[in-house]
Amino acid sequence: EAGVAQSPRYKIIEKRQSVAFWCNPISGHATLYWYQQILGQGPKLLIQFQNNGVVDDSQLPKDRFSAERLKGVDSTLKIQPAKLEDSAVYLCASSLEGNSPLHFGNGTRLTVT
Amino acid sequence: QKEVEQNSGPLSVPEGAIASLNCTYSDRVSQSFFWYRQYSGKSPELIMSIYSNGDKEDGRFTAQLNKASQYVSLLIRDSQPSDSATYLCAVNMVSNRTYKYIFGTGTRLKVLA
Repeated sequence: EAGVAQSPRYKIIEKRQSVAFWCNPISGHATLYWYQQILGQGPKLLIQFQNNGVVDDSQLPKDRFSAERLKGVDSTLKIQPAKLEDSAVYLCASSLEGNSPLHFGNGTRLTVT
Repeated sequence: QKEVEQNSGPLSVPEGAIASLNCTYSDRVSQSFFWYRQYSGKSPELIMSIYSNGDKEDGRFTAQLNKASQYVSLLIRDSQPSDSATYLCAVNMVSNRTYKYIFGTGTRLKVLA
């Protein structure tokens, strides 16, 4: 079984620039999550999709972050404009159903200078 | 009060000893519980899941769940230097009819050779 695919692995941008991350979940997994993990902290949920619908985006800074999941498969997370405090690892995860374990991708390490 | 709490550590144990990691959670209707291991610079990987009260063993790992006391623990027997990592506790709870994963901040474990 192929795992969760994410790209890019690393990204360095200047503040006020924009950036986009891509995620392809495990085949058949209906639920997709984007987490932000700041160094020394646990993952913090940004947005959760069930198929192509958003079920939780309460912690997504909607003035600068946006996400979509087209056709219930791939997902893209965008930040525009980036701030210094957005420097973190962005993790995509998927699960078969709501109560199943999460499977994480390798993450994208974002550095905003 | 944080929803999922862990001691950040570091927890240092000698090689061959038992490492005991603890996690408490605040939501009484939490459904399922997971332990993830995260090596430095890597993404979290699932090592144990537990859904009902009691103990669940898998190799050198034992997860213990006590819903009445709202805690879940992970025991690692015969600890090895390769077990040195951050261990994340994740609790799956239902909120607005949606399953929601909440992570603790993680406990850093150091196994001393």
